[in-house]
Amino acid sequence: GAVVSQHPSWVICKSGTSVKIECRSLDFQATTMFWYRQFPKQSLMLMATSNEGSKATYEQGVEKDKFLINHASLTLSTLTVTSAHPEDSSFYICSGQVGNQPQHFGDGTRLSIL
Amino acid sequence: QKEVEQNSGPLSVPEGAIASLNCTYSDRGSQSFFWYRQYSGKSPELIMSIYSNGDKEDGRFTAQLNKASQYVSLLIRDSQPSDSATYLCAVKVEGAGKSTFGDGTTLTVKP
Repeated sequence: GAVVSQHPSWVICKSGTSVKIECRSLDFQATTMFWYRQFPKQSLMLMATSNEGSKATYEQGVEKDKFLINHASLTLSTLTVTSAHPEDSSFYICSGQVGNQPQHFGDGTRLSIL
Repeated sequence: QKEVEQNSGPLSVPEGAIASLNCTYSDRGSQSFFWYRQYSGKSPELIMSIYSNGDKEDGRFTAQLNKASQYVSLLIRDSQPSDSATYLCAVKVEGAGKSTFGDGTTLTVKP
């Protein structure tokens, strides 16, 4: 149980392109979803927390106009990286959570901006 | 002081040995504690959850929680090379939306 599906697994695109990443909880209703970014050999960095039907709460230093998060249903959250640039290249990971239960992570999306 | 602290390692143990991973946290309101394993290039996967003081065993894994001392540990018995990964400790305050993750301890199990 507690499966989170994340798509796409990897994206390669040109600088200036906007990229959308989907995160779905397949067998549970995630009241809260989280988006993380991880650079090679570095720690997980929380970008934002989203609750279904509410605006996302962004961590300090994360540009909300650049990283658009939508959590329209209890099973789907999306992250759109707008006008992506090479410095946005990273491993993006979503997770879903119900109440005080542990977070369950998607498989991640490796984003490469050329 | 970080909210959740782990030794970064690397921790190296021989195959078959017990690996001991430690985590301390600063918020006494923490109620939920989790251990995740993250292989290189992959996303974290949940290994154990623990909510009350004492030990919790699941196969080769034992989580230990001591709220008075504000530490939680993970023991891996009969360590295997496939256990080589980064282990993340996560702590959640009741009512808080998010868990706070430590930076992880890298474990290497040598054949």
